[in-house]
Order: sequence, then structure tokens, then C-alpha cells
Amino acid sequence: AQTVTQSQPEMSVQEAETVTLSCTYDTSESDYYLFWYKQPPSRQMILVIRQEAYKQQNATENRFSVNFQKAAKSFSLKISDSQLGDAAMYFCAYRKYNNNDMRFGAGTRLTVKP
Amino acid sequence: NAGVTQTPKFQVLKTGQSMTLQCAQDMNHEYMSWYRQDPGMGLRLIHYSVGAGITDQGEVPNGYNVSRSTTEDFPLRLLSAAPSQTSVYFCASSYSWGGGTEAFFGQGTRLTVV
Repeated sequence: AQTVTQSQPEMSVQEAETVTLSCTYDTSESDYYLFWYKQPPSRQMILVIRQEAYKQQNATENRFSVNFQKAAKSFSLKISDSQLGDAAMYFCAYRKYNNNDMRFGAGTRLTVKP
Repeated sequence: NAGVTQTPKFQVLKTGQSMTLQCAQDMNHEYMSWYRQDPGMGLRLIHYSVGAGITDQGEVPNGYNVSRSTTEDFPLRLLSAAPSQTSVYFCASSYSWGGGTEAFFGQGTRLTVV
């Protein structure tokens, strides 16, 4: 079974600084997708960024970027120029290429200090 | 565009009671799913459907029933509520199966079983 581990239950960052959230996963598959979802206090799950395992290039979405290390099975999220609105729970998720069962990590709660 | 709508947002049940959590989407998505979110465990898949009339079990299906009579609706039934079913429940939909498809989530239902 695939598992996703987020080893940092809580993180904090100063406004305008950079923070990196860690995620590791376990799989025997060669093709799969990885996601980062954001859950603000409203509970709404919002897709932040996604990465296909076959793509070498790390995905980037504005201030959000990932460091995907396939051999190490690591998928960290970097948030640059942190803003107060970035405060949320962040979930890392894994999905096999031909399957819709998304496996989530336990989440990292990010606090942004003004 | 409402997206994915879940009702109710909050519910308290007594042990042994039954109820239905409603989920509706207006994006004409074929794939719909139900997750539960528990502290320290992320989101876990309960049941999913790949189209009207087709449902299947996810990671934690016991104690829950689903049916899919229309593309838009995917209700989750608790047959006899137990305290272990106290959780936040999320419905999600996506336009296709697997891969990097983005899942759109409802705002969740916080269920407490006493």
C-alpha cells in the first residue's frame, strides 16, 4: 500500500520569508502523481500544485514550487514570500497513474507571523 | 458556479441513528468520492463512483453506504452511527479517472456521534 508521510505537524514562517514543507511517500509504482492541497480555516480543500512522476522538471505555480526527488521519494513544497493568507493546513497526496484513490499525508499546519 | 455542495455543514447524531450526507456537483463530473478527515490521519477514501450506477469501496468503507442514481448527486449514508464515525466528511468530484486530474472538494460536514 502506498503511504504518505508528512513529518512536520506544525511549521511557522515570518511574513515575506520562505518556508519548505516536507513530504515523503512509499510506492513501488513508476508512474504516479503527487499533489499539495491547502486547507484554510474555511475547511475548503484547494489544489496548490501537482507533479507527474515522469516529469523531471519541478512544478511551479507563482510563489509555490516543489522539489521532487523521485529516487528519494521526496516531494517538498516551498512557499516563497509568505503571506498571511498562506496560513493553513497543507496536505501532501499521492495517486497512482491509473487509479483515483488519492492517499493523503497527515498534514502540516503552517502559521504565518506578521 | 456552485462547484461541490455538501449539506449539512454540521450534524450531531446519537449512537445508532442513521442519516444521509448530501453531495451535489454542477460541473458534470463523472467521478465522485467521499473522504473522512481525522486528526493526525489526513483524508481517507470511503467510497467512490466512476459514473451513474457505478460505485466501489475505498480504504475505509465499513459502516457507510452509497448510491449514484444521477451524475450530479452522490449521497453517503450512515446506517447505524457509532462514535468512531465522528469526523469531518468531504465529498469530491473530478472530470476524469486517475492521473493528474484535479479533485474539487466540498466544504465538508462535521459530524459528531454521541
